[in-house]
Amino acid sequence: ETGVTQTPRHLVMGMTNKKSLKCEQHLGHNAMYWYKQSAKKPLELMFVYSLEERVENNSVPSRFSPECPNSSHLFLHLHTLQPEDSALYLCASSQDPRPGNTIYFGEGSWLTVV
Amino acid sequence: AQSVTQLGSHVSVSEGALVLLRCNYSSSVPPYLFWYVQYPNQGLQLLLKYTTGATLVKGINGFEAEFKKSETSFHLTKPSAHMSDAAEYFCAVSHYQGAQKLVFGQGTRLTINP
Repeated sequence: ETGVTQTPRHLVMGMTNKKSLKCEQHLGHNAMYWYKQSAKKPLELMFVYSLEERVENNSVPSRFSPECPNSSHLFLHLHTLQPEDSALYLCASSQDPRPGNTIYFGEGSWLTVV
Repeated sequence: AQSVTQLGSHVSVSEGALVLLRCNYSSSVPPYLFWYVQYPNQGLQLLLKYTTGATLVKGINGFEAEFKKSETSFHLTKPSAHMSDAAEYFCAVSHYQGAQKLVFGQGTRLTINP
């Protein structure tokens, strides 16, 4: 069983919908991340949170809105997405955001925008 | 900016044969280097990482990688392939600018022939 759980595993949404992806880590970590994995591009970092504070926004469009209410939970709120946003969204965590720390990934949420 | 190049998007070997997956990086500062594996419909799992110290790093499932600074390489090897090694493998470099950012290669899909 993974220490990072993501729900839902699959999501289909229309371009005008509003939905959210949820992530929970059970590892006692202080840093959490959102990554995007699409067919045509390498894995891309979207956001980094450290102790519930956003420390990195990797030029992500505002239609993606992260939320970190505590160190164990991370959300990605989605609204007015485009079909090209269809991808696997991976949540991850690490002990802290310093380089060299192992990042642990969840199994991902498959998002299809229609 | 850091980048990672994985030579060969698909590699096919026979069961029992040597596995060699190539990774080259570019970095203006000493890097932290990682190999992750992704099995179908799953998230990424850390195989091994190099931070400091010994340049030959041993990981899980019999994999190892050697950091060669002069060649800017971090190739992944396994002496004898097993059917269960079939998966996608990602090389990544860590870049620190306020928070850890893993920069991934495009991935190499490994197929094992019986």
